[in-house]
Amino acid sequence: AQKVTQAQTEISVVEKEDVTLDCVYETRDTTYYLFWYKQPPSGELVFLIRRNSFDEQNEISGRYSWNFQKSTSSFNFTITASQVVDSAVYFCALSEARGGADGLTFGKGTHLIIQP
Amino acid sequence: DSGVTQTPKHLITATGQRVTLRCSPRSGDLSVYWYQQSLDQGLQFLIQYYNGEERAKGNILERFSAQQFPDLHSELNLSSLELGDSALYFCASSGGPEANTGELFFGEGSRLTVL
Repeated sequence: AQKVTQAQTEISVVEKEDVTLDCVYETRDTTYYLFWYKQPPSGELVFLIRRNSFDEQNEISGRYSWNFQKSTSSFNFTITASQVVDSAVYFCALSEARGGADGLTFGKGTHLIIQP
Repeated sequence: DSGVTQTPKHLITATGQRVTLRCSPRSGDLSVYWYQQSLDQGLQFLIQYYNGEERAKGNILERFSAQQFPDLHSELNLSSLELGDSALYFCASSGGPEANTGELFFGEGSRLTVL
């Protein structure tokens, strides 16, 4: 069975600090997809990134970067020079590409607090 | 704006009652998913429909049921409500199971409070 673990329940940093959110996953499939979603205080889920299991290249998008390591089954998310607007709950999720059945398996989320 | 519309945004009801949550997927999306987000259980997959047919079931209680109509909108019916059913219910849609990589587009959720 697939599983996603986000060990950090809550992280609090001061604005402009860098912060890394950890995500560890378990799956028996060789083909799978990993995601990060952001849930701001308003409640909606905002898609941030998708990676497939065959692409281990790290990705950078502005202040956001993602480190995918199959050897450790991790897909960590780093925010550089954090801002108050980054305060949200961040979810890591996994999908085993079996025709879309079962949807996404989410981690419990990490509540990120950026203090001014 | 994800293109997924959920109504109502907020709903307050009493134990034992029945409610219906409605979801309109993104234009052209054939798959609809329902998720429940509660404080203790996190985000849990409930059920998926594809083009009107049930495709996959997750941790959906027997008191809950769903359907997807010919126009592809979906409804989640929650009956004999209990206090523990208070949660944020998300609907999500995607383009179709064969091409599905798992990327889902979420609505803003329906917040259900059972008193």
